[in-house]
Amino acid sequence: DAKTTQPTSMDCAEGRAANLPCNHSTISGNEYVYWYRQIHSQGPQYIIHGLKNNETNEMASLIITEDRKSSTLILPHATLRDTAVYYCIVIPDMRFGAGTRLTVKP
Amino acid sequence: DSGVTQTPKHLITATGQRVTLRCSPRSGDLSVYWYQQSLDQGLQFLIQYYNGEERAKGNILERFSAQQFPDLHSELNLSSLELGDSALYFCASSGRDLTDTQYFGPGTRLTVL
Repeated sequence: DAKTTQPTSMDCAEGRAANLPCNHSTISGNEYVYWYRQIHSQGPQYIIHGLKNNETNEMASLIITEDRKSSTLILPHATLRDTAVYYCIVIPDMRFGAGTRLTVKP
Repeated sequence: DSGVTQTPKHLITATGQRVTLRCSPRSGDLSVYWYQQSLDQGLQFLIQYYNGEERAKGNILERFSAQQFPDLHSELNLSSLELGDSALYFCASSGRDLTDTQYFGPGTRLTVL
């Protein structure tokens, strides 16, 4: 089983922020939290990663709780093209869970 | 475009056959990873190579094997194919450290009839 658990699906209105949660309560001190997304059957696309601190890049923000047992991926202004399956994984564990299917609606 | 290339894009074969999938990593990356994604399933890590040596093993069947060549490209060999081996096979590459970002290729869709 994967080290992460995520909701199966979520909806978000276009233009609003999408907040995707992930639990990783057994994460080790040297393991990173990575987020990828997969659109249809394309290769997973890297989004963002972090160890302890919150991170932001041009695609998203990553908020990691102080105890590192959970995190939230934030897409600040979701668009229809953000509809995808989002995977939260712990590296170097490399066990992907089922991910969250995010549907952005007009 | 991640910079990782995989060939072929599609492969159709029969049960009992053997196929080889090829992956070229991003320029400068030393690690190659192989993943399997069956229909409507998540990604299953199969195996990782680093600079020609096997570094980590996941849920890889004994009928499957992989190698990484001196030019760093990698091949995944699947033999005695079964219907259940039909899946998308993704290759990813990363740098030196186990925690470096993995960049995925477009995948090879294998159909076993």
